[in-house]
Amino acid sequence: QVQLVQSGAEVKKSGASVKVSCKASGYTFTGYYMHWVRQAPGQGLEWMGRINPNNGGTNYAQKFQGRVTMTRDTSISTAYLELSSLRSDDTAVYYCTRGSEGGGSSWIDYWGQGTLVTVSS
Amino acid sequence: SYELTQPPSVSVSPGQTASITCSGDKLGNKYASWYQQKPGQSPVLVIYQDSKRPSGIPERFSGSNSGNTATLTISGTQAMDEADYYCQAWDSSTVVFGGGTKLTVL
Repeated sequence: QVQLVQSGAEVKKSGASVKVSCKASGYTFTGYYMHWVRQAPGQGLEWMGRINPNNGGTNYAQKFQGRVTMTRDTSISTAYLELSSLRSDDTAVYYCTRGSEGGGSSWIDYWGQGTLVTVSS
Repeated sequence: SYELTQPPSVSVSPGQTASITCSGDKLGNKYASWYQQKPGQSPVLVIYQDSKRPSGIPERFSGSNSGNTATLTISGTQAMDEADYYCQAWDSSTVVFGGGTKLTVL
């Protein structure tokens, strides 16, 4: 069965960086995009970007351009999200998710358990 | 950038039909997906490509998409369906989410 297991909660100071990992199992890691989505407390879902684990190609949401880096290590089927210059409004649960595609569309079919990142001043 | 609009809340009585809408410019020309999220849990995909149900999703969940509006319909709504629901589309190589709708079953 498909599983996405994320690293544990983080507490960071404003201005610092955070790196969240996501280990995939139960499917061919290089066969599906990995998307990262975040959710601030009490708020909706916000797409941050995606990485193609096969070649490392990325698409980032414009809002995060320059602050976000998505990488992967195919030898251990793990994807990473790094967010820099953290601010208090980056406090959120960060989800790694598996993307599926078809008919010119893309959707998310599996979600990790989420990683809470708390940014304090 | 592309935007999807959902009503903040919808209420339904147990056993009745709930409809949650998602509006976007020419949304019917794209595919819509829907996610269910219960408190403290990760979202779950309930509909993709407008009307397809992943395995394990009950048949009471259905979807449609035409014009500027996609609709998630829950027939014979149960108490366990109370949750937040998010629509999603794919536009210009970007995932776009609606703001979410809180479904209350009362």
